[in-house]
Amino acid sequence: EDQVTQSPEALRLQEGESSSLNCSYTVSGLRGLFWYRQDPGKGPEFLFTLYSAGEEKEKERLKATLTKKESFLHITAPKPEDSATYLCAVQDNYGQNFVFGPGTRLSVLP
Amino acid sequence: KAGVTQTPRYLIKTRGQQVTLSCSPISGHRSVSWYQQTPGQGLQFLFEYFSETQRNKGNFPGRFSGRQFSNSRSEMNVSTLELGDSALYLCASSLASGNGYTFGSGTRLTVV
Repeated sequence: EDQVTQSPEALRLQEGESSSLNCSYTVSGLRGLFWYRQDPGKGPEFLFTLYSAGEEKEKERLKATLTKKESFLHITAPKPEDSATYLCAVQDNYGQNFVFGPGTRLSVLP
Repeated sequence: KAGVTQTPRYLIKTRGQQVTLSCSPISGHRSVSWYQQTPGQGLQFLFEYFSETQRNKGNFPGRFSGRQFSNSRSEMNVSTLELGDSALYLCASSLASGNGYTFGSGTRLTVV
């Protein structure tokens, strides 16, 4: 059974203090790993898709990396507007449903 | 371009009733998925439709059902509502299964 765990559960950073969020997964053949951010009262917003180990993608202050067992979302010099819950999800090679992790709740203080 | 539209935004129903939620995907998107989000269980996959056919189904009881129309719009139905069905129901669309999905803002269902 596909599983996704995320750590830490919650993270508080000062503005400008860089850090990383972890997503660990077990899946019978990875088709894709997805990162989303979710603001309170809204649906998740797509950030990245990673398909193979060694792949990296960047968007503004965010950089996602992938290994065979985990993915990291690196946040460089975060700003208060980066505060959100960050969700990781995997899809297996059978193209079945997405399995989401529980998320990391990030707070960036000014 | 217009995003994924879900209606209604909020809904209050009584235990035992049934409810239908609606989702209009982004124009051109043929894949529509439904999710249930609760504080305790997080985001859980309900089902996915592509070109009016159900492709995948999560581990939910048969009280949860859905369908997709020829214009890709989708509906989700829950019959015999239980208190535990209270949740945020999210719809997401994509050009094809497996791509990054665009989510709607969800329908907040409260069962009393």
